[in-house]
Amino acid sequence: AQSVAQPEDQVNVAEGNPLTVKCTYSVSGNPYLFWYVQYPNRGLQFLLKYITGDNLVKGSYGFEAEFNKSQTSFHLKKPSALVSDSALYFCAVRDNVDTDKLIFGTGTRLQVFP
Amino acid sequence: NAGVMQNPRHLVRRRGQEARLRCSPMKGHSHVYWYRQLPEEGLKFMVYLQKENIIDESGMPKERFSAEFPKEGPSILRIQQVVRGDSAAYFCASSPPTGLPQHFGDGTRLSIL
Repeated sequence: AQSVAQPEDQVNVAEGNPLTVKCTYSVSGNPYLFWYVQYPNRGLQFLLKYITGDNLVKGSYGFEAEFNKSQTSFHLKKPSALVSDSALYFCAVRDNVDTDKLIFGTGTRLQVFP
Repeated sequence: NAGVMQNPRHLVRRRGQEARLRCSPMKGHSHVYWYRQLPEEGLKFMVYLQKENIIDESGMPKERFSAEFPKEGPSILRIQQVVRGDSAAYFCASSPPTGLPQHFGDGTRLSIL
C-alpha cells in the first residue's frame, strides 16, 4: 500500500531563515506526490505537486519541493520563511491509478518566529 | 470562480440524531471526495463519487454512513444515529475529469453532544 511519512511533528524556524519540512514516501510504481497547507479552521490549500519531469517543483507562495527517487523523499522548502507561513503542512501521495484518492501524512506544524 | 463550498461550517448533534453534510464542487469538477480529520491527525479518505455513482467507498464505515452525488445538486454525506466518536472535521474535495490536484472546501466541523 502507498504511504507517506512526516517524521517531524513540529518545525520551528526564525523569520527570514530557510525552512524544510520533510516527507518520505513508499509507493509501488511512479509516485504522484503533493503538498498541502492548512490554516486554523480552514480546508487544505494545494501548494504543489510532482507527477513527472524536473525533480525541483515550484509551487505557491514561494514554496518548492525536491523529489529524490533514491532517498524516496519529497521535502518541502522555502528560502526565506515568513511568520505568515506558520500553519500545518501535509504531504500526500495518490493511492492508485484507478482512483485519485490521496493518502496523507500525519502533518507537520510549522512555527515561524519573528 | 467559487471554490469548493461546504455547509454547514459547524454542526452540533445529539447522540442518535442524523447529520447531513453538503458539498458543492468547483465549477467544472465532476469528481468528489470526502475525507475525515480527527483532532491533531491527518485526513483519512472516506469515499470517492462521480455524478450518480460511488466509485470507491473503501474508507467508509460499514454502518450508519452513506454518501451520494446526485445528477443535480450537491454531494451529501449522511451519518445516521451519530455517536461521540463521529466528532471530527469532514472535508470535501473536488477535481476535474482530468484528475488531480484536488481542491478542498473549508470543512464541516461536527460535534456530538
